Amino acid sequence: DAMVIQNPRYQVTQFGKPVTLSCSQTLNHNVMYWYQQKSSQAPKLLFHYYDKDFNNEADTPDNFQSRRPNTSFCFLDIRSPGLGDAAMYLCATSRDASGSYEQYFGPGTRLTVT
Amino acid sequence: GQNIDQPTEMTATEGAIVQINCTYQTSGFNGLFWYQQHAGEAPTFLSYNVLDGLEEKGRFSSFLSRSKGYSYLLLKELQMKDSASYLCAVRDSNYQLIWGAGTKLIIKP
Repeated sequence: DAMVIQNPRYQVTQFGKPVTLSCSQTLNHNVMYWYQQKSSQAPKLLFHYYDKDFNNEADTPDNFQSRRPNTSFCFLDIRSPGLGDAAMYLCATSRDASGSYEQYFGPGTRLTVT
Repeated sequence: GQNIDQPTEMTATEGAIVQINCTYQTSGFNGLFWYQQHAGEAPTFLSYNVLDGLEEKGRFSSFLSRSKGYSYLLLKELQMKDSASYLCAVRDSNYQLIWGAGTKLIIKP
């Protein structure tokens, strides 16, 4: 029944070592989002895709990149993780970006940087 | 700038009622969402308001006043499993979702 799947659930990487987080969905939703969330803070939107159209938030560091090779999959690449990038990374989907369409979240990947 | 304000933490007793407030200042308004987030887990959708008034869904209700930039989430018959953070999020004129930092609700027996 899993609808938004994220792998891995926990990821440990070394300072400066590239890491890729993955997200897949079985909902066939048009929109996919990547959020970064630190403890007791609001989720921070990094990017979103409407179909293949990529939308980068103005304050997302260049260190973060994303790919959406098809409707079902989306990847977050962190090219050179710093200690400040340790956080929960949440993938979400929605049928559309407007109206009452809510976002469905995956379980998240908790990233630790050593 | 755009801003969502919620209390950081609230405490309530099992079986009681609690109201979590949210005030917002955003560039336009295209709907307000409430999400529940248990510690270490992903947010899950609770409610959506776009018109003024009260939306009821079981033990949870959400109210919106667009003229006041104000919403609240009302939780009735509190259960221990309701201990979680509750996030308010507003969709602005660009259809971007602006998130609050959440209210951590602690339920005591």
